[in-house]
Amino acid sequence: SQTIHQWPATLVQPVGSPLSLECTVEGTSNPNLYWYRQAAGRGLQLLFYSVGIGQISSEVPQNLSASRPQDRQFILSSKKLLLSDSGFYLCAWSPARVRVGNSPLHFGNGTRLTVT
Amino acid sequence: KNQVEQSPQSLIILEGKNCTLQCNYTVSPFSNLRWYKQDTGRGPVSLTIMTFSENTKSNGRYTATLDADTKQSSLHITASQLSDSASYICVVSTNSGYALNFGKGTSLLVTP
Repeated sequence: SQTIHQWPATLVQPVGSPLSLECTVEGTSNPNLYWYRQAAGRGLQLLFYSVGIGQISSEVPQNLSASRPQDRQFILSSKKLLLSDSGFYLCAWSPARVRVGNSPLHFGNGTRLTVT
Repeated sequence: KNQVEQSPQSLIILEGKNCTLQCNYTVSPFSNLRWYKQDTGRGPVSLTIMTFSENTKSNGRYTATLDADTKQSSLHITASQLSDSASYICVVSTNSGYALNFGKGTSLLVTP
């Protein structure tokens, strides 16, 4: 069966510090991978998605970047965090070659990031 | 602009009671509508999917309805349990791109 791991679960970082959140998927090959942010009182916002190694698409220009160094590894990074980067970050995967929405997104348990 | 509106924003019900959550959307072109359940501090989990031709679909005590003409969906929970306490998110997809249209969710609290 497929599983998705995301860590850390919680993180408190000062403004201006770097960020690295990691997500790995097991039990499937060449998945589509996604990073979402969920702010309080707002719907999930797609930040990045990837259909393959090294292929990253950004939906919202911002202070963050993403990388996919391996087939089932997705990393969210920032060189310098802003207060506005605080939120709940979710990694998700969906099967390859299936249009997003035609299969459910499988989410990790998220990282609660607080920038102080 | 594609939008998904959910109501109510929050809801408190007694264990064993029924409730109905609403989702109105203006997403076009419509592909499908999915309801997710998100427990506190966890990622959302898909409950059910509705395509254009489907009116009703059940998953245990959860029943989703879709009226594609009025662009409305509802999620009915029967005989609520404490474990139903969660946020319920309505998500509408189109036929293009990788971005889905998420509602802000309805926060449901089931009390003893």
